[in-house]
Amino acid sequence: AQTVTQSQPEMSVQEAETVTLSCTYDTSESDYYLFWYKQPPSRQMILVIRQEAYKQQNATENRFSVNFQKAAKSFSLKISDSQLGDAAMYFCAYRRWDSNYQLIWGAGTKLIIKP
Amino acid sequence: EAGVAQSPRYKIIEKRQSVAFWCNPISGHATLYWYQQILGQGPKLLIQFQNNGVVDDSQLPKDRFSAERLKGVDSTLKIQPAKLEDSAVYLCASRRGQGALMDTQYFGPGTRLTVL
Repeated sequence: AQTVTQSQPEMSVQEAETVTLSCTYDTSESDYYLFWYKQPPSRQMILVIRQEAYKQQNATENRFSVNFQKAAKSFSLKISDSQLGDAAMYFCAYRRWDSNYQLIWGAGTKLIIKP
Repeated sequence: EAGVAQSPRYKIIEKRQSVAFWCNPISGHATLYWYQQILGQGPKLLIQFQNNGVVDDSQLPKDRFSAERLKGVDSTLKIQPAKLEDSAVYLCASRRGQGALMDTQYFGPGTRLTVL
């Protein structure tokens, strides 16, 4: 069975600096999708970025980018120029290509932004 | 476009009581998910609907939890009777359709349940 591990329960970063959140996963599949979701305090979970495993190019969305290392089964999220609004729980999630679109979730990393 | 709506936002009940949560997905979204999120953990899928049919309810504790999605739109999740370990946030999410670029799940604000 696939698993997703986020080894950092909590991270903190100074405003305007860069932070990287780690995620590793275990799978025997070759075709799958990876996601980072953000859950701000008392607000809904939103998609930050997604990555298709067959694409070698790392996904980027404005200040958010990923470092996808397929052989190492690693999928880290880099947030550049951190802003106070980035404070949230960040969840890494995995989906098999044929899985009824179901996600397997990590336990999350709480990101604290220091002003 | 209106987002996923959930109510109530907060609920406090005594153990052995019953509770129901309501979800209204984004208009036109065929797939609806109910998740249970215990503090400090990622969401756990309870049940997935495609229109008004159940796709997967393998992790739904059917002795006490039930869910329905009549007419393929709104959905209700019920717990009867509640236990202390049911204290969690219950998230509803919806997804538009098939295809890799349509796999984004849109979440509601959740219902925080406290069982005393």
